[in-house]
Amino acid sequence: DADVTQTPRNRITKTGKRIMLECSQTKGHDRMYWYRQDPGLGLRLIYYSFDVKDINKGEISDGYSVSRQAQAKFSLSLESAIPNQTALYFCATRSQGAGGTEAFFGQGTRLTVV
Amino acid sequence: ELKVEQNPLFLSMQEGKNYTIYCNYSTTSDRLYWYRQDPGKSLESLFVLLSNGAVKQEGRLMASLDTKARLSTLHITAAVHDLSATYFCAVDTGTASKLTFGTGTRLQVTL
Repeated sequence: DADVTQTPRNRITKTGKRIMLECSQTKGHDRMYWYRQDPGLGLRLIYYSFDVKDINKGEISDGYSVSRQAQAKFSLSLESAIPNQTALYFCATRSQGAGGTEAFFGQGTRLTVV
Repeated sequence: ELKVEQNPLFLSMQEGKNYTIYCNYSTTSDRLYWYRQDPGKSLESLFVLLSNGAVKQEGRLMASLDTKARLSTLHITAAVHDLSATYFCAVDTGTASKLTFGTGTRLQVTL
């Protein structure tokens, strides 16, 4: 089983619908992140969380919200989906290392808003 | 705001050739990461560089970090087709513990 699991893997939804993307991890990491990937733009940070009570906006948080239900679970919601939110979404986790630690990524959720 | 730039954005190279991908960033940091992404797949960690002058090598790939120049390089030696992928660098912004990614370099190795 993957250490970082995202569901669903693919989703097509209509404009205006609410949708939730879920992420769970078995790595025991405190830090969790949601990124969005668009062609030619790399990965951009949407939200990140250092623990259940610590949630922070990233560079492109407008139109998104998150919930950290437990240390191992971090969900991303689109309250009212719009077509320009069509993208590949990644969840990632990191441990709390003082010297810098690599991030581990889920398999991604491909979201299409029509 | 931290900016991370990679070049080239696209690289087509022949098998057996050498080449370098560059990653420049705009603010002080001594923590830089390289990732590989195959089409339609997730990101896989390649290298973690945590100090000025750090050099890491794995197979035909070698990464280095010059924090004074705010520059990291990913050098490819004698490319093979299996190295075809998109490569990303990412910079750690310190206390905020965010990773800011470059736009990626799509590498295509041809026979």
